[in-house]
Amino acid sequence: GAGVSQSPSNKVTEKGKDVELRCDPISGHTALYWYRQSLGQGLEFLIYFQGNSAPDKSGLPSDRFSAERTGGSVSTLTIQRTQQEDSAVYLCASSLELAVSYEQYFGPGTRLTVT
Amino acid sequence: EDKVVQSPLSLVVHEGDTVTLNCSYEVTNFRSLLWYKQEKKAPTFLFMLTSSGIEKKSGRLSSILDKKELFSILNITATQTGDSAIYLCAVGGGATNKLIFGTGTLLAVQP
Repeated sequence: GAGVSQSPSNKVTEKGKDVELRCDPISGHTALYWYRQSLGQGLEFLIYFQGNSAPDKSGLPSDRFSAERTGGSVSTLTIQRTQQEDSAVYLCASSLELAVSYEQYFGPGTRLTVT
Repeated sequence: EDKVVQSPLSLVVHEGDTVTLNCSYEVTNFRSLLWYKQEKKAPTFLFMLTSSGIEKKSGRLSSILDKKELFSILNITATQTGDSAIYLCAVGGGATNKLIFGTGTLLAVQP
């Protein structure tokens, strides 16, 4: 595709419910990242996928958060038993495999509101 | 602990002014420093800097990196209202292709 796409653009959910956020990276980009941006905060790294390697999950804030990437393309970030502090914009980015290039292309994000 | 610090946190200027945004970092195995502009949701890429002292320019925007003093600046000349955004600095380090972001500088350009 022309750019990174994410869905839904907005999600309002009740505390305790599970949510799934989707990211479709740029075709040919093998690296995919998930970030979280809370109000007034910078981007917080969550998880990183690179090709077929094991993902780097070091940024996931709790075991309620998980992500998968099927077929080396689309990724889904799942938050179980959502809490109000999970409210944030969740951004996905992709980049070419080469580690020398850190230019990441971002999707429009999903704004999650937990009521 | 790796960190990226941006200053000021916010800035209000008038059209035509020149602004300088700062980014300092402490990141192991530095690879590159990137600047992004975030207007609505998606940050858009501005510059990637890897070498000290080489200025990168794009129109009214320019940026330079000092790897000895561990900082970068982003200059915007003749600011316009369309420059109003959050400007994010990120540093890539280590072998994991991970970017560490600062909290950003919120720039508001008034007519």
